[in-house]
Amino acid sequence: GAGVSQSPSNKVTEKGKDVELRCDPISGHTALYWYRQRLGQGLEFLIYFQGNSAPDKSGLPSDRFSAERTGESVSTLTIQRTQQEDSAVYLCASSFNRVNIQYFGAGTRLSVL
Amino acid sequence: GESVGLHLPTLSVQEGDNSIINCAYSNSASDYFIWYKQESGKGPQFIIDIRSNMDKRQGQRVTVLLNKTVKHLSLQIAATQPGDSAVYFCAENNPGGYNKLIFGAGTRLAVHP
Repeated sequence: GAGVSQSPSNKVTEKGKDVELRCDPISGHTALYWYRQRLGQGLEFLIYFQGNSAPDKSGLPSDRFSAERTGESVSTLTIQRTQQEDSAVYLCASSFNRVNIQYFGAGTRLSVL
Repeated sequence: GESVGLHLPTLSVQEGDNSIINCAYSNSASDYFIWYKQESGKGPQFIIDIRSNMDKRQGQRVTVLLNKTVKHLSLQIAATQPGDSAVYFCAENNPGGYNKLIFGAGTRLAVHP
């Protein structure tokens, strides 16, 4: 596809369950980012992948959050033992190497009941 | 879908008027700035960017102004249209050496016919 693709678009889960969110970046984009956006708020950086370098995990809010990326393609964000405060839209973006413009997917809306 | 920016500052304008959205950034060492538009239920969409060696840059119906002295950024939209209604975010590049963007809180633009 032409843009960043995220799945699922919506996820409802029960407190304490684990969830996996998926991101397919634009083909050829070496950099991939995850953000969290709570209702009515800005974007909160979570994690950044660049090629084969060690990811920048400085934005992950707790050890319940983790992310993986296979080479320069798909990434998954995993939230273990979800809590109600994890409810938010999780956005993925990709960019081409050192070009600053990040292209965003439509996000996954996570609701923890 | 659920609206983005329910509790954000709102700028209300009449269709056809010019809009000015302001943003104060935090780091005097930031060397790159970018504006995104986010419509309800969608991911942020790139509008325009500017590097710190410039103080003005124009696109189609949009102009970004940068005042480094007071760390202020503005987005001007000419002849605002209903389709411009969205939440607008400014972001600055983290000067730590890679493409990490730090996003502002956002401003909701409401265009009235």
